[in-house]
Amino acid sequence: AQTVTQSQPEMSVQEAETVTLSCTYDTSESNYYLFWYKQPPSRQMILVIRQEAYKQQNATENRFSVNFQKAAKSFSLKISDSQLGDTAMYFCAFLRDRGGADGLTFGKGTHLIIQP
Amino acid sequence: EPEVTQTPSHQVTQMGQEVILRCVPISNHLYFYWYRQILGQKVEFLVSFYNNEISEKSEIFDDQFSVERPDGSNFTLKIRSTKLEDSAMYFCASSDRRGGGYEQYFGPGTRLTVT
Repeated sequence: AQTVTQSQPEMSVQEAETVTLSCTYDTSESNYYLFWYKQPPSRQMILVIRQEAYKQQNATENRFSVNFQKAAKSFSLKISDSQLGDTAMYFCAFLRDRGGADGLTFGKGTHLIIQP
Repeated sequence: EPEVTQTPSHQVTQMGQEVILRCVPISNHLYFYWYRQILGQKVEFLVSFYNNEISEKSEIFDDQFSVERPDGSNFTLKIRSTKLEDSAMYFCASSDRRGGGYEQYFGPGTRLTVT
C-alpha cells in the first residue's frame, strides 16, 4: 500500500514571499504520478500541478513548481510570489500507473495561510 | 472549460435512509471516481468506475455503497442505509487517459449530513 506524509499541518507566510510545502511518500511501485491539489474554503479540489515519476525534470506551472527527488521519495511544492488567494489546504497525492483505474492516495494536507 | 458537476450541493438525511448522490463527469472522460472527506480529515478514495463496471474499490466501499452510470452522462453513488459516520463531503472526479495524462478533475462536492 502507498502512504503519503505531509509533516507540516499549517504554515503561514507574508504575501509575496516564497513558501515550500513538504511531501514524502512510500511505495514499491516504479511507475506512478504525483500531484498537488489545492482546497480553498469552498472545499473544491483544484489540481495545481502534476509530476510523472519517469520524468527527471521538475514540473512548473506559473508560480508553482515542484522539487521531485525520486530516490528520497520526496515531492515538495514551491509557491513563488505568494498571493492572498493562495490561502488554502494543499494536499499531496500519489497515483499508481495502473491505466487510470486507481484512486489517488492523499496526504493529510497542509493549511497554508498567506498574510497581507 | 468543461467541469464536473454534482448535485445536490448539500443533502441532509436521517440515519437509516437511502441517499443518491449525482455527478455529471466531463463529457469525453472515461474514468469516474468517488471520494469522501470527513470534516477536518484527508480525502479518501472510495471507488473507480470504467466501461460500466467497478475497476477498484477501497475498504470503505462496503455493501452499503453502490455506483451506477444510469445513462450516458450521469454517475451516481448510492448509500443504502446511512449511518452517522457517513456524514462527509463526497467528491466525484473524472479523468481521460487519452493523451497520456492521469489528472483527475474533481466536482465541487456534495456535503452529506446524517442526523
